[in-house]
Order: sequence, then structure tokens, then C-alpha cells
Amino acid sequence: SYELTQPPSVSVSPGQTARITCSGDALPKQYAYWYQQKPGQAPVLVIYKDSERPSGIPERFSGSSSGTTVTLTISGVQAEDEADYYCQSADSSGTSHVVFGGGTKLTVL
Amino acid sequence: QVQLVESGGGLVKPGGSLRLSCAASGFTFSDYYMSWIRQAPGKGLEWVSYISSSGSTIYYADSVKGRFTISRDNAKNSLYLQMNSLRAEDTAVYYCARGVDTGREDYFDYWGQGTLVTVSS
Repeated sequence: SYELTQPPSVSVSPGQTARITCSGDALPKQYAYWYQQKPGQAPVLVIYKDSERPSGIPERFSGSSSGTTVTLTISGVQAEDEADYYCQSADSSGTSHVVFGGGTKLTVL
Repeated sequence: QVQLVESGGGLVKPGGSLRLSCAASGFTFSDYYMSWIRQAPGKGLEWVSYISSSGSTIYYADSVKGRFTISRDNAKNSLYLQMNSLRAEDTAVYYCARGVDTGREDYFDYWGQGTLVTVSS
């Protein structure tokens, strides 16, 4: 089955830039989506179609794609950005319509 | 504003059944496909099932196929998940989510707060 691979954890100091990667063989052909999940809360969409930002999401959140890797970048990290982040996509064969990465815990030091 | 409110979770014994509901408001429910997504305690997100806007197309994850049934009532703006033959590994928070079909992949722009299902003897 298709898999998306994320690092389990990323740590940054406040004000620095956090980069969270997500790798998958189908990512050159499929868009990626990013969700933020704070403890005890539902996931929130923060990036769609690799790099688009939904209304209400701060500009410090951005996304990019290069080959088989997509990256969520949080510029000027704030304490409130500490959360789990999940990438999501699909495989290019149409077998798996929805696949989530394992998630990355962002810690703000 | 878009609201999705799940209900129906609780404690159930292995082999038992449970029916989850999701009440939608703030948008035209019949225009959107919907999904159930679950999260086991301390674990990541797992997509469970999808139903098209009309209910004519349905998909399930292999882990629940044959045991879970998704349905919707567009007149009542409601989504359902009938869960039978429950196992300990089905223990999770179950979220309903509004789907967006890009034509290449699907994603979820609104999520409910979730309902906890615990399968234990």
C-alpha cells in the first residue's frame, strides 16, 4: 500500500523557521495537503494543493513541492504553532484515495 | 459557518455494534462528499470510509471493509457510520469530515470534534 513518510519530530526555537517534510513516490503527480492538530482538538487544514493557504491561516505557513518530497514551512515560529502536523495525498493509481503521513510533532523550544 | 457534530460514541464489548452520527450545518450538505477518519489513542490519522454527495459511491479502508457501513440522509443533513463486529483495534476518536474532490485526490476542509469509541471487555 502507498505510504507517505514524515519525520517523527522537529524542534525549533521561537522566531526560527520550521520545515517539515513528507515523502512519497506519487507526490510528483499528486497534490499534498497539510493539517495541524493541537492536543485534544480536531485537525485543521493549513495548506492545500501543495502550496495554497486556506483563508484564516497565517501567512507564516507555506508549502512547497520538489520531486517526491513536499515541505511545510512555518516562518517565525510561535509557541502556538506547537502541534502535530500531518501530510495527506493519494496514490497515482487510484487505489488509495486518501493516505495520511504518520505525523510530525513540532516542538517549540 | 460550517459545523460538523459527531455523536454515538461510547464503550462497547468486542464483537458488539455501534452507530455513529454526524450532524452537518452551515453548508449545502447534499453538494459534498463526506468521510469518516479515525485516530487511535496516541496514533496518527487513518481514513475509514467515503460516501459521495448522492450516496451512490462508497469506499472503505481494508481494515473495516465488511464490518462498517457508511450512509447519509441528505434530507436530514446527516452522515452515519454503522460499526459491527467491533475489535479492540477499532478503539479511536472518529471524526467526520467534509470532503473536496480535486479530480486527482481528495482532501478535507472541515472536521468535526470527534466522538470516542472504546472497544473493551
